Amino acid sequence: DGGITQSPKYLFRKEGQNVTLSCEQNLNHDAMYWYRQDPGQGLRLIYYSQIVNDFQKGDIAEGYSVSREKKESFPLTVTSAQKNPTAFYLCATTKQRGETQYFGPGTRLLVL
Amino acid sequence: GDSVTQMEGPVTLSEEAFLTINCTYTATGYPSLFWYVQYPGEGLQLLLKATKADDKGSNKGFEATYRKETTSFHLEKGSVQVSDSAVYFCALSDQGNNRLAFGKGNQVVVIP
Repeated sequence: DGGITQSPKYLFRKEGQNVTLSCEQNLNHDAMYWYRQDPGQGLRLIYYSQIVNDFQKGDIAEGYSVSREKKESFPLTVTSAQKNPTAFYLCATTKQRGETQYFGPGTRLLVL
Repeated sequence: GDSVTQMEGPVTLSEEAFLTINCTYTATGYPSLFWYVQYPGEGLQLLLKATKADDKGSNKGFEATYRKETTSFHLEKGSVQVSDSAVYFCALSDQGNNRLAFGKGNQVVVIP
């Protein structure tokens, strides 16, 4: 099956802890994105990557970090510097500029 | 920068009623326009899209027409079902930087 996989579905973070959210795709898409969604809100862009070994900050990058070592993978780390991490995190991919973005099923991050 | 505005507030209507969700945009170039749908606890799914002025996107009984003169992309469906209950997001693609700008979304609740 072709698609985007995000894991885990639910993730719990303790105070002061870094956690990493996984996003894997087998669509052979070049660009990948991370969004944050808060209840009743739209999507806000955290980071995006248009090619391997390169990525750009989105609108709310503070407290987050990413890597893009492989085309298929774009993990997001929520660091202890992110003081309000509770949210629904969505990964997306797109093949070419201006084309449709395809979304994964999301990871819900909760703070203990 | 490019932006999307959706009408405020949830939309509640009875089964078989007519649905309209307004979407207007601000963009410097010639963006592609999208409607995405999100069911509870899931990622976003593409509902329909239009890539140039006067194009009409359609899918599952939903339609939207790209109106450059009014900078709008309103979503319509002639007869809604309970299964259409979801959150609907309007978005535009800035082809210059390969990002999507999202509206805040509208919760649609269809009552039997």
